[in-house]
Amino acid sequence: GAVVSQHPSWVICKSGTSVKIECRSLDFQATTMFWYRQFPKQSLMLMATSNEGSKATYEQGVEKDKFLINHASLTLSTLTVTSAHPEDSSFYICSAHRLTGDNYEQYFGPGTRLTVT
Amino acid sequence: GIQVEQSPPDLILQEGANSTLRCNFSDSVNNLQWFHQNPWGQLINLFYIPSGTKQNGRLSATTVATERYSLLYISSSQTTDSGVYFCAVSSISNFGNEKLTFGTGTRLTIIP
Repeated sequence: GAVVSQHPSWVICKSGTSVKIECRSLDFQATTMFWYRQFPKQSLMLMATSNEGSKATYEQGVEKDKFLINHASLTLSTLTVTSAHPEDSSFYICSAHRLTGDNYEQYFGPGTRLTVT
Repeated sequence: GIQVEQSPPDLILQEGANSTLRCNFSDSVNNLQWFHQNPWGQLINLFYIPSGTKQNGRLSATTVATERYSLLYISSSQTTDSGVYFCAVSSISNFGNEKLTFGTGTRLTIIP
């Protein structure tokens, strides 16, 4: 149990275009999902928290108009990188909160590698 | 915000060796998780361990919350253990959400 999928697993796009990444919890419902960004050989940095049915909350320094997040159902959150530029190239990872026993644990998707040319 | 430091940053071991990875954090936390990121980028949950000791096969973890550190032990290393190990601590964000802050990671390479 606790499987999270992401689509696509990799994408190459031209500068100025927009890219949508989907994150799905396959076997559980997730009222809260998270989006992270990871640069090569670095740690994961939280970008935003996605709450089902309400607006996402963004971490300091993350442009909400550039990284649009929608959490329309209990199993799906999407991240749209608008007007992508080469500096947006990165590994984007989502996770979903799941109640396991008495605790909330995060389960991670396989990631999406974005390359902007 | 909370700081999470891991040591060592890199570790190269022969297959069959044992290792200890350390995670230090700067403030009280609600919980702590250990993850293994495989070479393809997938993060795999290893332990949810806000305090105490847990074991799962060749892996075990201990968190001493009062002293703000956690240790991950890997015994009889195998090449499939290679990858990056992250600890992540949970705290409440300014928005009232529980958020994970990831450590700096330890890159483990097991040589056959």
